[in-house]
Amino acid sequence: KAGVTQTPRYLIKTRGQQVTLSCSPISGHRSVSWYQQTPGQGLQFLFEYFSETQRNKGNFPGRFSGRQFSNSRSEMNVSTLELGDSALYLCASSSKGASGSLSTDTQYFGPGTRLTVL
Amino acid sequence: AQTVTQSQPEMSVQEAETVTLSCTYDTSENNYYLFWYKQPPSRQMILVIRQEAYKQQNATENRFSVNFQKAAKSFSLKISDSQLGDTAMYFCAFMKAGSQGNLIFGKGTKLSVKP
Repeated sequence: KAGVTQTPRYLIKTRGQQVTLSCSPISGHRSVSWYQQTPGQGLQFLFEYFSETQRNKGNFPGRFSGRQFSNSRSEMNVSTLELGDSALYLCASSSKGASGSLSTDTQYFGPGTRLTVL
Repeated sequence: AQTVTQSQPEMSVQEAETVTLSCTYDTSENNYYLFWYKQPPSRQMILVIRQEAYKQQNATENRFSVNFQKAAKSFSLKISDSQLGDTAMYFCAFMKAGSQGNLIFGKGTKLSVKP
């Protein structure tokens, strides 16, 4: 089975621009989560999507948004980029996650997109 | 709010030896899951091992095993017969049962395996 894929792998943008990152989950996985990794703040949860619905959101400003398509692929968008948005953005997928279930499936990560804001 | 603490920013070990990475967490939840992930220089985050809090038996995966102490809220990772390919950042992570996404990570421990 192919793993989680993310495109592009590297991106350079300037302040004020916007950016869209893409994530394709493992086949059959319906839950997609996004994380931001920086040297200062470490790994922080951005949001999670399941069946095209955002079910959970971390503590990030509204400039960070996402969506999920019917084939479970997900995109995240950052508008009005700031220097502090420079980070590695990781996407993870998992196979379970029906609402109300106490089971938690493991999240499998993609290789990440390295975003540099100049 | 849950927190995860890894008190060892860096560690080193000789090839073929055993090393233990520490992790403590704070939560009021009773049902949760704990994970160790490894992130080598390639930056790909790789699952090492997973532990369900309701299981008393410690999880093992080949050379990797955990010491899960629920009352002490401790979750250490033991790597036996260390190999050069084990060189990586190791992250301890917590997830509340039924949580939708939202892995809570520690700051990581940088492990270097020396020949």
